Amino acid sequence: GNSVTQMEGPVTLSEEAFLTINCTYTATGYPSLFWYVQYPGEGLQLLLKATKADDKGSNKGFEATYRKETTSFHLEKGSVQVSDSAVYFCALRLWGYSSASKIIFGSGTRLSIRP
Amino acid sequence: DVKVTQSSRYLVKRTGEKVFLECVQDMDHENMFWYRQDPGLGLRLIYFSYDVKMKEKGDIPEGYSVSREKKERFSLILESASTNQTSMYLCASSFTGTAQETQYFGPGTRLLVL
Repeated sequence: GNSVTQMEGPVTLSEEAFLTINCTYTATGYPSLFWYVQYPGEGLQLLLKATKADDKGSNKGFEATYRKETTSFHLEKGSVQVSDSAVYFCALRLWGYSSASKIIFGSGTRLSIRP
Repeated sequence: DVKVTQSSRYLVKRTGEKVFLECVQDMDHENMFWYRQDPGLGLRLIYFSYDVKMKEKGDIPEGYSVSREKKERFSLILESASTNQTSMYLCASSFTGTAQETQYFGPGTRLLVL
């Protein structure tokens, strides 16, 4: 079936450290891939996305590349800040039989950044 | 900016009560969704709707129903609340039909069923 697997947290890093959060997927066809972020006390918001193989999504210093050969979409940031502390969700979107397409989310990775 | 609002941030209900969670979006989105979020399980889709009065079951619809009488409003109903429905409930909305489609989320309702 279709699924998303991401690394378990929590992940704790010091400020300015390099971040990688791994995400792999299983899907029929060619899904679109997303990273959503949930800051404390808030709903999810889109961080970045990629819709086809080799696309790179980027936003706020975060990047992720759609790798079809390894079915991966790892999230990276070169230098994290305390304000990046949040829960990060990897997700994929499939075209459904209805006009509303469904998103399948990973279980989320909690990131904490120490000053 | 897209705004998705949910009627309550926190709710405490008793087992057996009927519970209504309301969601309103202001961007004329066709699609609306209800998820529940539980630690270690991520988000799971309960129901979604792609048009007024249209609804489809998600992955975990048991114990829930929905109503969409107006395009901007999508209600989640717990017919008889149970303790295993204690969770964070998230509403989302989106436009239809492009590869770029993303979902916009409300702030969530944390429901405790005693």
